[in-house]
Amino acid sequence: QVTLKESGPVLVKPTDTLTLTCAISGFSLSNETMGVSWIRQPPGKALEWLAHLFSNDRASYSRPLRSRLSLSKDTSKSQVVLTMTNLDLVDTGTYYCARGVVGRAFDVWGQGTMVTVSS
Amino acid sequence: DSQLTQSPSTLSASVGDRVTIACRASQNINRWLAWYQQKPGEAPRLLIYQASTLETGVPSRFSGSGSGTEFSLTISSLQPDDFATYYCQQYNTYPWSFGQGTKVEIK
Repeated sequence: QVTLKESGPVLVKPTDTLTLTCAISGFSLSNETMGVSWIRQPPGKALEWLAHLFSNDRASYSRPLRSRLSLSKDTSKSQVVLTMTNLDLVDTGTYYCARGVVGRAFDVWGQGTMVTVSS
Repeated sequence: DSQLTQSPSTLSASVGDRVTIACRASQNINRWLAWYQQKPGEAPRLLIYQASTLETGVPSRFSGSGSGTEFSLTISSLQPDDFATYYCQQYNTYPWSFGQGTKVEIK
């Protein structure tokens, strides 16, 4: 069974750096046909794609957020880590990680983790 | 960057109705489009990928069509479980992107 689970802080302050972890199981981060994306959703708003990590460690980022985002992985721990710097109130929302399969988009999603940015 | 525009933003319908949601891309995305269903408090669920391929386990009342810049999701006979928000997403070119969503509500 393929699962993904996000974890990280619930409350962060403006200008802080956010680190979120996606723990995966049921597939390998070394699989060339698969990768992991991060997607977020402000309360009551639409989904926003943030970044994608490929099996070869190449990453692609949202253009508006590129300077603030960084992706990494620990294959031995089956984890993908998203780092976002210089947080603002508008970064409040639910952050999801999802498996991306070549040709099939995001077929399995984590439950999401809610992050609130507030002073 | 390829932008996606969904219409309508909200759709009021009754159980048994046939409903169609449109998704327009700002540039040619071939058939690299997916549709997701999201219910309140839940993660999105993949319904359709490559514009018209039904994900395993998704009821056959859902169907997708289109290519290039014009796409649609159709529910042939709306069921109580289908009242939710639907998103299209393109994965033709980076950065990937989602539409703004269409909420299907009870009439």
